[in-house]
Amino acid sequence: DAMVIQNPRYQVTQFGKPVTLSCSQTLNHNVMYWYQQKSSQAPKLLFHYYDKDFNNEADTPDNFQSRRPNTSFCFLDIRSPGLGDAAMYLCATSKGTSGSKSQETQYFGPGTRLLVL
Amino acid sequence: AQSVTQPDIHITVSEGASLELRCNYSYGATPYLFWYVQSPGQGLQLLLKYFSGDTLVQGIKGFEAEFKRSQSSFNLRKPSVHWSDAAEYFCAVGGRNTGFQKLVFGTGTRLLVSP
Repeated sequence: DAMVIQNPRYQVTQFGKPVTLSCSQTLNHNVMYWYQQKSSQAPKLLFHYYDKDFNNEADTPDNFQSRRPNTSFCFLDIRSPGLGDAAMYLCATSKGTSGSKSQETQYFGPGTRLLVL
Repeated sequence: AQSVTQPDIHITVSEGASLELRCNYSYGATPYLFWYVQSPGQGLQLLLKYFSGDTLVQGIKGFEAEFKRSQSSFNLRKPSVHWSDAAEYFCAVGGRNTGFQKLVFGTGTRLLVSP
């Protein structure tokens, strides 16, 4: 009964070669988040979608883009991966329908581990 | 801006012994506080959360946490650890009235359980 699914679980790419990571959800949640988690570091929010509205964190590099074609799917595009982009990328969702959205629970996927050669 | 400190990178506890994982936060107002657990190869799972009210919060898997405003702490406890509790634990703080849930995580504490 996977609720937040990330594919692939492991991704190897070459330096500078564009790569896309995928996230899908069966929860029908309005909000989808992308986090970057480097080795032995805390997850760091890159951006989130509230429905179709895209919200970028101020310090997210321009190299990172995202698409959300429908409620269920969200993609993370890395246009020109560098060695420093090797990390675990976590997708999460929350309902986004309650009055206090900041009190909602986030549901995380298992992550995609990206290796840049 | 909010921040979270988890001072212990690794902790080893014997199976059956009690556990306390430390978390200190920095936030200008009363924060929203969370504890997540991450097993190897898995995503983060919410253990418990504090928004307001009773400062002792019960969570899943027998975990509890206590919010202490005077110490800016939200330590996680469990009275008797099981081998299956071995994982990485993250404390997180969320801001209020942000229109969505923006979490700032600590760097995590890896729990090892010895026989």
